[in-house]
Amino acid sequence: DGGITQSPKYLFRKEGQNVTLSCEQNLNHDAMYWYRQDPGQGLRLIYYSQIVNDFQKGDIAEGYSVSREKKESFPLTVTSAQKNPTAFYLCASSRNTLINEKLFFGSGTQLSVL
Amino acid sequence: QKEVEQNSGPLSVPEGAIASLNCTYSDRGSQSFFWYRQYSGKSPELIMSIYSNGDKEDGRFTAQLNKASQYVSLLIRDSQPSDSATYLCAVNILIQGAQKLVFGQGTRLTINP
Repeated sequence: DGGITQSPKYLFRKEGQNVTLSCEQNLNHDAMYWYRQDPGQGLRLIYYSQIVNDFQKGDIAEGYSVSREKKESFPLTVTSAQKNPTAFYLCASSRNTLINEKLFFGSGTQLSVL
Repeated sequence: QKEVEQNSGPLSVPEGAIASLNCTYSDRGSQSFFWYRQYSGKSPELIMSIYSNGDKEDGRFTAQLNKASQYVSLLIRDSQPSDSATYLCAVNILIQGAQKLVFGQGTRLTINP
């Protein structure tokens, strides 16, 4: 089946620790995105990538880092600099970044602080 | 003014009635509009997209777009308990020279049997 796979489903972070969220897609999409969702809120864009080895900051990039070494993979690292990391993290992809392109979402990762 | 605004609800509708969800946006030049449904703890799923003024129907769902008034709405006919979810409006907004998909905060809809 084609789709986007996020792992793990639940993740716990200790203070001062960096953690990495995985996102893999087999849809052959060029564009990939990371969103953060807080309870009762919409989605806020953290980072996005239009092509391999290139990525752009979104609205709330501070405390996060990404890489795009392969077309299929777009991992997100939540660094210790992110002081309020507890949220639901969603990875998405689209064929490209043209304005009419719909997003396909992974199942999400719930990150909590111990 | 927020770029995309929705009433957060909760909106309660009796089963079988029409649920009406509204969304306003700030960029008069926006061209792409999407409605996503999100069940609690799950990821959003696309239910409607609309690009031109007027109505677009798909089964029990109708999206309505009015670019002059800068609003987009979603109507759900014959509401079912399974329609209970949060509905996210998303609009392509031109921000600092780049097109970005901006989400509203979502409207929580409850269908009462």
